[in-house]
Amino acid sequence: EAGVVQSPRYKIIEKKQPVAFWCNPISGHNTLYWYLQNLGQGPELLIRYENEEAVDDSQLPKDRFSAERLKGVDSTLKIQPAELGDSAVYLCASSHLTDLNTGELFFGEGSRLTVL
Amino acid sequence: KNEVEQSPQNLTAQEGEFITINCSYSVGISALHWLQQHPGGGIVSLFMLSSGKKKHGRLIATINIQEKHSSLHITASHPRDSAVYICAVSDYGGSQGNLIFGKGTKLSVKP
Repeated sequence: EAGVVQSPRYKIIEKKQPVAFWCNPISGHNTLYWYLQNLGQGPELLIRYENEEAVDDSQLPKDRFSAERLKGVDSTLKIQPAELGDSAVYLCASSHLTDLNTGELFFGEGSRLTVL
Repeated sequence: KNEVEQSPQNLTAQEGEFITINCSYSVGISALHWLQQHPGGGIVSLFMLSSGKKKHGRLIATINIQEKHSSLHITASHPRDSAVYICAVSDYGGSQGNLIFGKGTKLSVKP
């Protein structure tokens, strides 16, 4: 079975341009996460979905970032317009959340964004 | 103070050495995750545990809930173990889906 699939793997854009990342989680996983990871740092949550509902988007810079998971399966993360400081790796992860715990996490390979 | 602290931040070892990476946390948790990230690569889940000890090959993870501490051990280390090891906890006090990450331990195993 395929793992978490992300695309594109790499993206280079000029500042003020838009960019979008796509994530297809593992089949059956109800929880999907978008994380931002800067070099040498741990992942930082941007948004978490349970099915199609965004249950935690408190760390998402809503003036320029948006995300959707319309059918509760795959998801897109968009930045418009991109800024130099947005250069980072954008990680998608999925798990099956139960009442007891998060469940094992599965990460995609990440999308590395470079803003020039 | 970070809610999840890892030590050491950087670790260099010779091939064959026994390695220990520590993780301390300050919140109530429902589970603790150990993750591995190779340079330029994605993150792989190594263990998820809420009590006791788990073993997979040369990797062993332990957790002491009372002391709020976990350790990841690597026996007979190999250069291919070189990676960043990240500890993350599911915050029981908050939403079950929330994860709090440590900053990672960068391991380099020399041949």
